[in-house]
Amino acid sequence: RKEVEQDPGPFNVPEGATVAFNCTYSNSASQSFFWYRQDCRKEPKLLMSVYSSGNEDGRFTAQLNRASQYISLLIRDSKLSDSATYLCVVNEGQAGTALIFGKGTTLSVSS
Amino acid sequence: GAGVSQSPSNKVTEKGKDVELRCDPISGHTALYWYRQSLGQGLEFLIYFQGNSAPDKSGLPSDRFSAERTGGSVSTLTIQRTQQEDSAVYLCASSGRVLANTGELFFGEGSRLTVL
Repeated sequence: RKEVEQDPGPFNVPEGATVAFNCTYSNSASQSFFWYRQDCRKEPKLLMSVYSSGNEDGRFTAQLNRASQYISLLIRDSKLSDSATYLCVVNEGQAGTALIFGKGTTLSVSS
Repeated sequence: GAGVSQSPSNKVTEKGKDVELRCDPISGHTALYWYRQSLGQGLEFLIYFQGNSAPDKSGLPSDRFSAERTGGSVSTLTIQRTQQEDSAVYLCASSGRVLANTGELFFGEGSRLTVL
């Protein structure tokens, strides 16, 4: 069974904190990986792709560990506006079913 | 509009009634997806359209669910004889290419269905 597992949280952190989320996937043949962000009662939006070499976009860093089959998202200097649910997404191929969404990790940043 | 448009945004219906949910994808996008998201759950794949190819219907939970895409653009998801467990947010997404490594789907705001 294809699975993408995330700690649902919530992660409650103060502004300025550094927080990290992990996500594990079961299919070793998975091809590509992404983090989406979903605000409360809103649609998901792509946050960033996750590359094998790791990638950084401002305060956000994503990493992939294929050997252990997990990806991570690190948020530095958390802002109130970072409060959202972060969805781990794994692409297993070209079929319509290929994008597997995790249930998400909820982050709440407080002042 | 520039984004994916869905209607209605909210729909309350009685058990046993049929409902139609509409999705208008981003102009020029060839791929269109329907997902369902129940409270506290992840996105559940329902159906995928790609250009003129036969749709991937493997995610439809029962034969009460059907979808079509006319003219390669607008799509309608139909749920017949609705049940209470059909209550969820139905999300439509489009993409400008065959599912590739970009992984970027553009979602609409969803249609929130409540079956009483």
